[in-house]
Amino acid sequence: GDSVTQMEGPVTLSEEAFLTINCTYTATGYPSLFWYVQYPGEGLQLLLKATKADDKGSNKGFEATYRKETTSFHLEKGSVQVSDSAVYFCALAVSGGSYIPTFGRGTSLIVHP
Amino acid sequence: DSGVTQTPKHLITATGQRVTLRCSPRSGDLSVYWYQQSLDQGLQFLIQYYNGEERAKGNILERFSAQQFPDLHSELNLSSLELGDSALYFCASSPLAGGSSTDTQYFGPGTRLTVL
Repeated sequence: GDSVTQMEGPVTLSEEAFLTINCTYTATGYPSLFWYVQYPGEGLQLLLKATKADDKGSNKGFEATYRKETTSFHLEKGSVQVSDSAVYFCALAVSGGSYIPTFGRGTSLIVHP
Repeated sequence: DSGVTQTPKHLITATGQRVTLRCSPRSGDLSVYWYQQSLDQGLQFLIQYYNGEERAKGNILERFSAQQFPDLHSELNLSSLELGDSALYFCASSPLAGGSSTDTQYFGPGTRLTVL
Protein backbone atom coordinates (compact mmCIF):
# COMPACT_ATOMS: atom_id res chain seq x y z
CA GLY A 1 0.00 0.00 0.00
CA ASP A 2 0.87 3.66 -0.07
CA SER A 3 3.08 5.00 2.70
CA VAL A 4 5.16 8.01 3.69
CA THR A 5 8.25 7.96 5.86
CA GLN A 6 9.55 11.11 7.52
CA MET A 7 12.58 11.71 9.66
CA GLU A 8 11.81 11.54 13.35
CA GLY A 9 11.97 14.69 15.38
CA PRO A 10 12.16 16.86 17.09
CA VAL A 11 14.43 18.91 14.88
CA THR A 12 15.92 21.72 16.94
CA LEU A 13 17.55 24.67 15.19
CA SER A 14 18.70 28.17 15.93
CA GLU A 15 17.06 31.06 14.13
CA GLU A 16 18.43 31.64 10.59
CA ALA A 17 19.72 28.06 10.32
CA PHE A 18 19.12 25.91 7.23
CA LEU A 19 16.31 23.37 7.48
CA THR A 20 15.92 20.00 5.82
CA ILE A 21 13.19 17.53 6.73
CA ASN A 22 13.47 14.27 4.82
CA CYS A 23 10.48 12.52 3.30
CA THR A 24 10.36 9.37 1.17
CA TYR A 25 7.32 7.60 -0.16
CA THR A 26 5.99 4.35 -1.56
CA ALA A 27 3.02 4.53 -3.89
CA THR A 28 1.11 2.10 -6.07
CA GLY A 29 0.27 4.75 -8.65
CA TYR A 30 1.63 8.14 -9.66
CA PRO A 31 1.15 10.31 -6.58
CA SER A 32 0.90 13.99 -5.92
CA LEU A 33 3.05 15.03 -2.96
CA PHE A 34 2.30 17.53 -0.22
CA TRP A 35 3.73 19.18 2.84
CA TYR A 36 1.29 20.29 5.53
CA VAL A 37 2.14 22.33 8.64
CA GLN A 38 0.38 22.18 12.00
CA TYR A 39 0.98 25.11 14.36
CA PRO A 40 0.32 24.53 18.08
CA GLY A 41 -3.39 24.24 18.83
CA GLU A 42 -4.42 24.43 15.18
CA GLY A 43 -5.40 22.14 12.33
CA LEU A 44 -3.21 21.22 9.39
CA GLN A 45 -2.60 23.75 6.65
CA LEU A 46 -1.37 22.94 3.18
CA LEU A 47 2.14 24.41 2.86
CA LEU A 48 3.08 23.33 -0.66
CA LYS A 49 2.51 20.61 -3.20
CA ALA A 50 3.91 19.07 -6.38
CA THR A 51 1.92 16.98 -8.81
CA LYS A 52 4.55 15.53 -11.15
CA ALA A 53 8.19 14.53 -11.22
CA ASP A 54 10.74 17.37 -11.03
CA ASP A 55 8.06 19.87 -9.99
CA LYS A 56 9.16 22.20 -7.20
CA GLY A 57 6.54 23.35 -4.72
CA SER A 58 7.29 26.52 -2.78
CA ASN A 59 5.59 28.76 -0.24
CA LYS A 60 6.67 31.11 2.58
CA GLY A 61 10.37 30.41 1.87
CA PHE A 62 9.89 26.64 2.04
CA GLU A 63 10.46 24.46 -0.99
CA ALA A 64 10.44 20.79 -1.94
CA THR A 65 11.22 19.02 -5.22
CA TYR A 66 9.40 15.89 -6.40
CA ARG A 67 12.18 13.36 -7.09
CA LYS A 68 10.71 10.28 -8.72
CA GLU A 69 14.06 8.51 -9.09
CA THR A 70 14.68 8.62 -5.34
CA THR A 71 10.96 8.62 -4.33
CA SER A 72 11.63 11.65 -2.16
CA PHE A 73 10.11 15.06 -1.39
CA HIS A 74 12.43 16.70 1.13
CA LEU A 75 11.36 20.00 2.68
CA GLU A 76 13.95 22.80 2.84
CA LYS A 77 14.14 26.38 4.02
CA GLY A 78 17.22 28.54 3.84
CA SER A 79 16.73 30.53 7.04
CA VAL A 80 14.20 29.45 9.66
CA GLN A 81 12.42 31.76 12.06
CA VAL A 82 11.01 31.15 15.54
CA SER A 83 7.55 31.42 13.99
CA ASP A 84 8.30 28.32 11.86
CA SER A 85 8.15 26.14 14.99
CA ALA A 86 5.43 23.62 14.21
CA VAL A 87 4.85 20.02 13.18
CA TYR A 88 5.39 19.29 9.48
CA PHE A 89 3.61 16.43 7.70
CA CYS A 90 4.59 14.94 4.37
CA ALA A 91 1.71 13.33 2.47
CA LEU A 92 0.83 11.73 -0.83
CA ALA A 93 -2.38 11.19 -2.76
CA VAL A 94 -2.90 9.04 -5.82
CA SER A 95 -5.22 10.13 -8.63
CA GLY A 96 -7.85 7.83 -10.02
CA GLY A 97 -9.43 7.00 -6.70
CA SER A 98 -10.67 8.99 -3.77
CA TYR A 99 -7.42 11.00 -3.63
CA ILE A 100 -7.42 10.89 0.16
CA PRO A 101 -3.97 11.89 1.48
CA THR A 102 -1.77 9.34 3.22
CA PHE A 103 0.22 11.19 5.87
CA GLY A 104 3.61 10.61 7.42
CA ARG A 105 3.95 10.62 11.21
CA GLY A 106 4.99 14.26 11.31
CA THR A 107 8.25 15.97 12.28
CA SER A 108 8.32 18.53 15.06
CA LEU A 109 10.50 21.60 14.39
CA ILE A 110 11.64 23.78 17.26
CA VAL A 111 13.44 27.01 16.40
CA HIS A 112 15.28 28.87 19.17
CA PRO A 113 16.02 32.60 19.05
CA ASP B 1 -8.37 30.67 10.15
CA SER B 2 -9.32 28.00 7.61
CA GLY B 3 -13.05 28.72 7.76
CA VAL B 4 -13.79 25.21 9.05
CA THR B 5 -15.31 25.16 12.53
CA GLN B 6 -15.46 22.27 14.94
CA THR B 7 -17.28 21.93 18.24
CA PRO B 8 -16.63 21.24 20.99
CA LYS B 9 -12.96 22.09 21.32
CA HIS B 10 -12.46 19.67 24.21
CA LEU B 11 -14.53 16.72 25.38
CA ILE B 12 -13.93 14.56 28.42
CA THR B 13 -16.05 11.49 28.93
CA ALA B 14 -16.01 7.98 30.37
CA THR B 15 -15.56 4.57 28.83
CA GLY B 16 -18.74 3.11 27.37
CA GLN B 17 -20.26 6.52 26.65
CA ARG B 18 -21.32 8.03 23.34
CA VAL B 19 -20.33 11.45 22.00
CA THR B 20 -21.06 13.56 18.93
CA LEU B 21 -18.52 15.83 17.27
CA ARG B 22 -19.71 18.56 14.95
CA CYS B 23 -18.10 20.16 11.92
CA SER B 24 -19.16 23.07 9.75
CA PRO B 25 -17.29 23.24 6.44
CA ARG B 26 -16.09 26.36 4.68
CA SER B 27 -18.83 28.24 2.89
CA GLY B 28 -19.43 26.60 -0.47
CA ASP B 29 -17.44 23.42 0.22
CA LEU B 30 -19.34 20.24 -0.54
CA SER B 31 -16.99 17.60 0.90
CA VAL B 32 -16.28 16.90 4.55
CA TYR B 33 -13.54 14.57 5.74
CA TRP B 34 -12.93 13.18 9.23
CA TYR B 35 -9.49 12.25 10.57
CA GLN B 36 -8.22 10.85 13.86
CA GLN B 37 -4.82 11.94 15.16
CA SER B 38 -3.25 9.92 17.95
CA LEU B 39 0.29 9.49 19.20
CA ASP B 40 0.53 5.82 18.26
CA GLN B 41 -1.38 5.81 14.96
CA GLY B 42 -0.54 9.24 13.58
CA LEU B 43 -3.10 10.94 11.34
CA GLN B 44 -5.64 8.43 10.04
CA PHE B 45 -8.44 9.10 7.56
CA LEU B 46 -11.82 7.95 8.80
CA ILE B 47 -14.51 8.89 6.29
CA GLN B 48 -15.53 11.40 3.61
CA TYR B 49 -18.95 12.77 2.73
CA TYR B 50 -19.76 14.66 -0.44
CA ASN B 51 -23.01 16.59 -0.72
CA GLY B 52 -24.72 14.37 1.83
CA GLU B 53 -23.50 11.01 0.53
CA GLU B 54 -20.70 8.82 1.80
CA ARG B 55 -17.84 9.09 -0.71
CA ALA B 56 -14.87 7.26 0.77
CA LYS B 57 -14.19 5.17 3.83
CA GLY B 58 -10.93 4.69 5.66
CA ASN B 59 -10.02 3.12 8.97
CA ILE B 60 -13.30 3.85 10.69
CA LEU B 61 -14.41 1.49 13.43
CA GLU B 62 -17.90 0.03 13.42
CA ARG B 63 -18.56 1.87 16.71
CA PHE B 64 -18.09 5.14 14.83
CA SER B 65 -20.51 6.64 12.34
CA ALA B 66 -20.91 9.93 10.54
CA GLN B 67 -23.39 11.82 8.47
CA GLN B 68 -23.62 15.03 6.47
CA PHE B 69 -26.80 17.06 6.67
CA PRO B 70 -28.59 19.10 3.96
CA ASP B 71 -26.91 22.29 5.21
CA LEU B 72 -23.60 20.41 4.67
CA HIS B 73 -22.50 20.34 8.29
CA SER B 74 -21.34 16.95 9.49
CA GLU B 75 -21.40 14.99 12.71
CA LEU B 76 -19.15 12.16 13.82
CA ASN B 77 -20.71 9.84 16.37
CA LEU B 78 -18.45 7.75 18.58
CA SER B 79 -20.08 5.10 20.76
CA SER B 80 -19.04 2.49 23.33
CA LEU B 81 -15.96 4.60 23.88
CA GLU B 82 -12.69 2.99 24.91
CA LEU B 83 -9.55 4.48 26.40
CA GLY B 84 -7.84 4.05 23.05
CA ASP B 85 -10.33 6.38 21.37
CA SER B 86 -8.70 9.33 23.12
CA ALA B 87 -7.31 11.45 20.29
CA LEU B 88 -7.63 14.65 18.32
CA TYR B 89 -10.41 14.44 15.75
CA PHE B 90 -10.05 16.74 12.76
CA CYS B 91 -12.58 17.69 10.19
CA ALA B 92 -11.54 19.02 6.79
CA SER B 93 -13.55 20.35 3.89
CA SER B 94 -12.94 20.79 0.19
CA PRO B 95 -14.92 22.43 -2.60
CA LEU B 96 -15.47 19.33 -4.71
CA ALA B 97 -15.68 15.57 -4.38
CA GLY B 98 -11.95 15.06 -4.10
CA GLY B 99 -10.15 12.91 -6.61
CA SER B 100 -7.76 15.52 -7.97
CA SER B 101 -4.82 17.63 -6.95
CA THR B 102 -6.80 20.83 -7.41
CA ASP B 103 -9.31 19.98 -4.67
CA THR B 104 -7.43 21.20 -1.59
CA GLN B 105 -8.56 20.16 1.87
CA TYR B 106 -8.91 22.81 4.59
CA PHE B 107 -8.65 21.57 8.15
CA GLY B 108 -10.52 22.69 11.23
CA PRO B 109 -8.83 23.21 14.62
CA GLY B 110 -9.89 19.79 15.92
CA THR B 111 -11.78 18.36 18.88
CA ARG B 112 -9.66 16.81 21.60
CA LEU B 113 -11.45 13.78 23.05
CA THR B 114 -10.30 12.32 26.35
CA VAL B 115 -11.84 9.05 27.49
CA LEU B 116 -11.30 8.28 31.18
